[in-house]
Amino acid sequence: AQSVTQPDIHITVSEGASLELRCNYSYGATPYLFWYVQSPGQGLQLLLKYFSGDTLVQGIKGFEAEFKRSQSSFNLRKPSVHWSDAAEYFCAVGGVDTGNQFYFGTGTSLTVIP
Amino acid sequence: DSGVTQTPKHLITATGQRVTLRCSPRSGDLSVYWYQQSLDQGLQFLIQYYNGEERAKGNILERFSAQQFPDLHSELNLSSLELGDSALYFCASSAGTGAGELFFGEGSRLTVL
Repeated sequence: AQSVTQPDIHITVSEGASLELRCNYSYGATPYLFWYVQSPGQGLQLLLKYFSGDTLVQGIKGFEAEFKRSQSSFNLRKPSVHWSDAAEYFCAVGGVDTGNQFYFGTGTSLTVIP
Repeated sequence: DSGVTQTPKHLITATGQRVTLRCSPRSGDLSVYWYQQSLDQGLQFLIQYYNGEERAKGNILERFSAQQFPDLHSELNLSSLELGDSALYFCASSAGTGAGELFFGEGSRLTVL
């Protein structure tokens, strides 16, 4: 069965520090992978996506993620966090094998300390 | 701005009542997805429509129903409301039926008292 696991419910980092949010997925074939960000009171906004090709993908707001098939992971990274990055982050997997459905993780809440 | 419009933004109603949530997808998008987001359940997929037809069904209760109209807007109908139905309901749209990028609306927050 397809699923997404975000092991960290909540993460706190200092402004300027690096960030890595973990995402593990379970999927039968080559997955389409996504990271979304949700600011308070807002909808989800796509940060980046992986469909195929280069396993290191760049997204908006200085974020990047690396697809590692051997580890079934798609971790999100940012070298230097800004206070405005405080939000909820969701990893999602989809693809033909999921019947066109997207499966979302339970999210990681990021707090940024000044 | 994602281009997906949801109304109303906030809705307060009583148990046993019925409400309708409306979604206008991004221009040109044929697929509409409905999700429910609650604190204890996370983001749960409810149902997907493509060009007026139901394509996929997730954890949608029998008290809930949806449809997509010829102009591609969609409505989610929630009836016999219970306290546990209080949640944020998101609509998302995508261009096709495949698992491409989803564009989310800002959601409709439903409070059942």
